[in-house]
Amino acid sequence: IQLTQSPSFLSASVGDRVTITCRASQDISGFLAWYQQIPGKAPKLLIYGASTLQSGVPSRFSGSGSGTDFTLTVSSLQPEDFATYYCQQLTGYPVTFGGGTRLEIK
Amino acid sequence: EVQVVESGGGLVQPGRSLRLSCAASGFTFDDYAMHWVRQAPGKGLEWVSGISWNSGTTGYADSVKGRFTISRDNANNSLYLQMNTLSPEDTALYYCVKDTSASTIVAFDLWGHGTMVTVSS
Repeated sequence: IQLTQSPSFLSASVGDRVTITCRASQDISGFLAWYQQIPGKAPKLLIYGASTLQSGVPSRFSGSGSGTDFTLTVSSLQPEDFATYYCQQLTGYPVTFGGGTRLEIK
Repeated sequence: EVQVVESGGGLVQPGRSLRLSCAASGFTFDDYAMHWVRQAPGKGLEWVSGISWNSGTTGYADSVKGRFTISRDNANNSLYLQMNTLSPEDTALYYCVKDTSASTIVAFDLWGHGTMVTVSS
């Protein structure tokens, strides 16, 4: 199953609302997770089950979607949110990741 | 402290083998599935392999199937990745990752810092 993220690059300002899209090549129901990776650090789980916020993750992050189309939204960007974001499908083996969306400060 | 710590990376020649290890602590290791995920320099994330809590189910990416073998030792809270017939395309930072579930794949909630594998002559 292939995952296509868009955009691959996004420039935004602190306080902006941004949305990242992930499209699956076939129906994956709600078996989708989102991760944040800051340069030089390991990825961090943000959302699983398409819309469940991982414990400790700020509520400005939200996820939605099912089937083949999913979104990750950050309601009001903070300086620490500038990172690369990956979606991941977990319907079974093999697991796959999207190509990533790099979010940079405008 | 809840953590996983990888070891065993290094520089290896093409065609040779390497074994990665991951030591888990701070949680009940045999309650969870485990995975290896890699990231080539400047590239995105690639899932490599996964194993259920009791080793009953394993999975591999097509890119490593037949060359890599995942295993675990629950008595010693350890995860392993035996990598054979390595090629330069296997050069990456390899992460040991904990799943939130024992057997089904739900999400990857604990990541190590990674161990670097460089395949070059």
